[in-house]
Amino acid sequence: DAKTTQPPSMDCAEGRAANLPCNHSTISGNEYVYWYRQIHSQGPQYIIHGLKNNETNEMASLIITEDRKSSTLILPHATLRDTAVYYCIVRVSGQGGKLIFGQGTELSVKP
Amino acid sequence: DGGITQSPKYLFRKEGQNVTLSCEQNLNHDAMYWYRQDPGQGLRLIYYSQIVNDFQKGDIAEGYSVSREKKESFPLTVTSAQKNPTAFYLCATRTGANTGELFFGEGSRLTVL
Repeated sequence: DAKTTQPPSMDCAEGRAANLPCNHSTISGNEYVYWYRQIHSQGPQYIIHGLKNNETNEMASLIITEDRKSSTLILPHATLRDTAVYYCIVRVSGQGGKLIFGQGTELSVKP
Repeated sequence: DGGITQSPKYLFRKEGQNVTLSCEQNLNHDAMYWYRQDPGQGLRLIYYSQIVNDFQKGDIAEGYSVSREKKESFPLTVTSAQKNPTAFYLCATRTGANTGELFFGEGSRLTVL
């Protein structure tokens, strides 16, 4: 199974960009990278996903390296409400959509 | 409203008792999942189901059982065989598409007294 590695915690100043890294060096060619976030005691929320190309939506941007071994989630203007645990996961191919979550990065946005 | 409903939100049980957590969805999604989360930890997969009448074990299935008799419903039973059942349980659904995202319910918090 492809696994991901994320820093356990990060701080970011309010209004600045938050750049959350993720390593997935064993990712295979047809596996997608997904990002979710979880605010305390709530269900995780989908943010964005990608395969090879960079992706952007109303919440964030996803930058995937050319070798696909790592990616970065960018929150362009972090707010206090972005304080949450962010999970980077790789969809395991050939196993019917089994999705494995790692430990995530606890992002603290500070005023 | 469309979505995923988990019940109960909070549940207390005595040791040795089985308890069933409900997960109902009206999103018409094919796949459903159960995850467990312990304090300060990530999510761990218990069971998942891709279609009705079929389900597979996740990474920590021991002490749990599920059924998928209807597309809309995927109940999880925490049996007395589960050694440390106190946890936050999350149900999720996904469309059948290969790139479908997961949608999560609000969770059920089980405490064993």
